[in-house]
Amino acid sequence: GQNIDQPTEMTATEGAIVQINCTYQTSGFNGLFWYQQHAGEAPTFLSYNVLDGLEEKGRFSSFLSRSKGYSYLLLKELQMKDSASYLCAVPDQTGANNLFFGTGTRLTVIP
Amino acid sequence: EAGVVQSPRYKIIEKKQPVAFWCNPISGHNTLYWYRQNLGQGPELLIRYENEEAVDDSQLPKDRFSAERLKGVDSTLKIQPAELGDSAVYLCASSPRDGISGNTIYFGEGSWLTVV
Repeated sequence: GQNIDQPTEMTATEGAIVQINCTYQTSGFNGLFWYQQHAGEAPTFLSYNVLDGLEEKGRFSSFLSRSKGYSYLLLKELQMKDSASYLCAVPDQTGANNLFFGTGTRLTVIP
Repeated sequence: EAGVVQSPRYKIIEKKQPVAFWCNPISGHNTLYWYRQNLGQGPELLIRYENEEAVDDSQLPKDRFSAERLKGVDSTLKIQPAELGDSAVYLCASSPRDGISGNTIYFGEGSWLTVV
């Protein structure tokens, strides 16, 4: 089966850098997703990693280590609008695109 | 391009009453999902469709939940009768293909159900 662990809550200051960690266990790895979800809104796609290493996309970067079952989302130059929940997800064991989500990390950006 | 459209956006019903949610996926997306998200939790898959066929409904509580996707486009999710524990956000999502890792899933804004 699948299991995902992420911190429940984090707080960071506007303009700073924050790293949100995710550890996972899955039978048969098929990539790892990060989604952003603002309160009361739908999750929106941020990134997808299938190979080890860091992928950068503007202020957001995502890192994957398959051997360690570990990923992180790095947010730079934090803005108030980055306050949201960040969901780590992996495709489930069927190998299809059913995503199994973690409980999410609620990030609060303070002035 | 229009995103995934869901209705109603909000619904309050008394327990034991029925409720139905409707979803229109992104045009051309063959795969459609229904997820349920409880407060403070991540979304949990209820059912996945490939065109009009339900290919994974193992997490759908079949005693009270039903879903259909006639003609392989729009879908409805029904709960009858609703229980207090069914209060959650019901998210519909779609993706262009299935079985190919990396296909992004696009979510609708969700239907917020409160059972009182």
